[in-house]
Amino acid sequence: KAGVTQTPRYLIKTRGQQVTLSCSPISGHRSVSWYQQTPGQGLQFLFEYFSETQRNKGNFPGRFSGRQFSNSRSEMNVSTLELGDSALYLCASSGGGGTGDNFGQGTRLTVV
Amino acid sequence: QQQVKQSPQSLIVQKGGISIINCAYENTAFDYFPWYQQFPGKGPALLIAIRPDVSEKKEGRFTISFNKSAKQFSLHIMDSQPGDSATYFCAAVFDRGSTLGRLYFGRGTQLTVWP
Repeated sequence: KAGVTQTPRYLIKTRGQQVTLSCSPISGHRSVSWYQQTPGQGLQFLFEYFSETQRNKGNFPGRFSGRQFSNSRSEMNVSTLELGDSALYLCASSGGGGTGDNFGQGTRLTVV
Repeated sequence: QQQVKQSPQSLIVQKGGISIINCAYENTAFDYFPWYQQFPGKGPALLIAIRPDVSEKKEGRFTISFNKSAKQFSLHIMDSQPGDSATYFCAAVFDRGSTLGRLYFGRGTQLTVWP
């Protein structure tokens, strides 16, 4: 069974640009969550999607947005990148009935 | 405000010893408490989880102890091995139902097991 797949693995962008990250959940999982991981702030929740609907949103500015498609794949977008957006962005998927939660390997975003 | 407080920040244990990581929370509405293990360059992996109606859960060498009245929970790693060297995160969730919900993470504990 394939795990959660995040693409790309690494990304370097310039301040002011925008970026789109992709997450393919485990087959059959309809819930996808996104987290930002930095040494200073640790793991912080960005948003959660279930069946194409955003269920929950963390305390991030509106520059951070996301969506989920009908096949449960999800994308997150960050516009007008700032140096402080440099982080590991993690996606997690989960199945129904309390089945295991699975994180992808993350996308390492560096803003220069 | 940190919803889940984790200690220690780092831990060094000899091979075969017991590693103990502690977490505390304030909000009694949390109803699911998972622990994650993260190796460098990888995403967190779910290790073991507990609900507040259970005081202890054991899976292999990993045990969660849960003290509802003290609002604390801890991870015990028995017979610690060098391969256990990783960063461990505790977390808490409200209303863990059919979806993962929003995880509130502790700041992590970097465990090093010396051979």
